[in-house]
Amino acid sequence: GDSVTQMEGPVTLSEEAFLTINCTYTATGYPSLFWYVQYPGEGLQLLLKATKADDKGSNKGFEATYRKETTSFHLEKGSVQVSDSAVYFCALRQGAQKLVFGQGTRLTINP
Amino acid sequence: GAVVSQHPSRVICKSGTSVKIECRSLDFQATTMFWYRQFPKQSLMLMATSNEGSKATYEQGVEKDKFLINHASLTLSTLTVTSAHPEDSSFYICSANGASGAGSTDTQYFGPGTRLTVL
Repeated sequence: GDSVTQMEGPVTLSEEAFLTINCTYTATGYPSLFWYVQYPGEGLQLLLKATKADDKGSNKGFEATYRKETTSFHLEKGSVQVSDSAVYFCALRQGAQKLVFGQGTRLTINP
Repeated sequence: GAVVSQHPSRVICKSGTSVKIECRSLDFQATTMFWYRQFPKQSLMLMATSNEGSKATYEQGVEKDKFLINHASLTLSTLTVTSAHPEDSSFYICSANGASGAGSTDTQYFGPGTRLTVL
């Protein structure tokens, strides 16, 4: 079945560092891809999404490009802030079917 | 934007009792709601998909009689953990698909979760 694999955390960076969180997927067909963020004590929030190959999703300085050839959707940010500390989930969905989540990556940004 | 609430946020109960968790879409009508379970340091596992006015569809391995789901209206779904045991302790999260008038119908909006602890 469909699956999502994220880089294992936790990831700890200093403020203003460059961030990459790797995400690869296995799916039949052409899924939509998502990044969700979960701040401490809160529910998951959609961060960005891409619905077809070569699409780039972006929000709050974060970007991810749907790469069909490498089945990847890596999350990047050029300069992280302390407020970006959270757990990040990569996910896919085929049509109207259920979301399939990766295991989550905990990110901690130190001042 | 579309907001989903859950109540209670935390609950502690004795083994053998039942616990009801509510999930509400506050500013939109959700024809479909989802219930997830999240273990510490692990991903979300879909438990069931709930459609308004019909029976929930449970994922493989989820006990229907233990986790009762009711989706009585377009803004409310409830999850009842019956005869709870310590192994049911977890973080339960609901989500709802956006419907007309709220955000994107392509997006799932998540509640803040309910921490259940069974003693």
